[in-house]
Amino acid sequence: GESVGLHLPTLSVQEGDNSIINCAYSNSASDYFIWYKQESGKGPQFIIDIRSNMDKRQGQRVTVLLNKTVKHLSLQIAATQPGDSAVYFCAENTWGSQGNLIFGKGTKLSVKP
Amino acid sequence: DGGITQSPKYLFRKEGQNVTLSCEQNLNHDAMYWYRQDPGQGLRLIYYSQIVNDFQKGDIAEGYSVSREKKESFPLTVTSAQKNPTAFYLCASKKRTTDTQYFGPGTRLTVL
Repeated sequence: GESVGLHLPTLSVQEGDNSIINCAYSNSASDYFIWYKQESGKGPQFIIDIRSNMDKRQGQRVTVLLNKTVKHLSLQIAATQPGDSAVYFCAENTWGSQGNLIFGKGTKLSVKP
Repeated sequence: DGGITQSPKYLFRKEGQNVTLSCEQNLNHDAMYWYRQDPGQGLRLIYYSQIVNDFQKGDIAEGYSVSREKKESFPLTVTSAQKNPTAFYLCASKKRTTDTQYFGPGTRLTVL
């Protein structure tokens, strides 16, 4: 498979536990944030997004929290399953950047059965 | 992956050769993007196109070229001028009115 997980921070959780993956973003003017999941050898898959006028958004088993004061974004995964094992990375988009996203390096989530 | 296809999945190239990676989307998306992914690094933007017959350089355009003759297609050519072309290449697209980019499955390029 694709070695996109090399040298990345790793989070190891037990199956059924909740996972929290963190991301610090760089630009205080960023107004849109997105989380992707990337399995080995595959393209990134959209999970959830949030705009800067919100501080929380929930999806199916996932929640994104945005703290603009400290420029911090987190992804919470409830009842983590083995299929959640992947690299997760955040991206930010600044208004006026022509829709270009700036990507973080990612965190590798490993779920122990 | 939605309606974004990339081919081939694996590609091998000898040094000094140009190679073209295909990206096609049937989502009627206006904008298309090419990224390069290396182990331990975030995605880096190579080229992007907001509209047919127009494209802009990204952060690491040197050694690459693109064309956007059709809305559905955004091929990337990796030229012999690219000094370290071995990487995982990802194509993405989005509607002009939204911020969410959707990715294809990727092409793994290896220079022998």
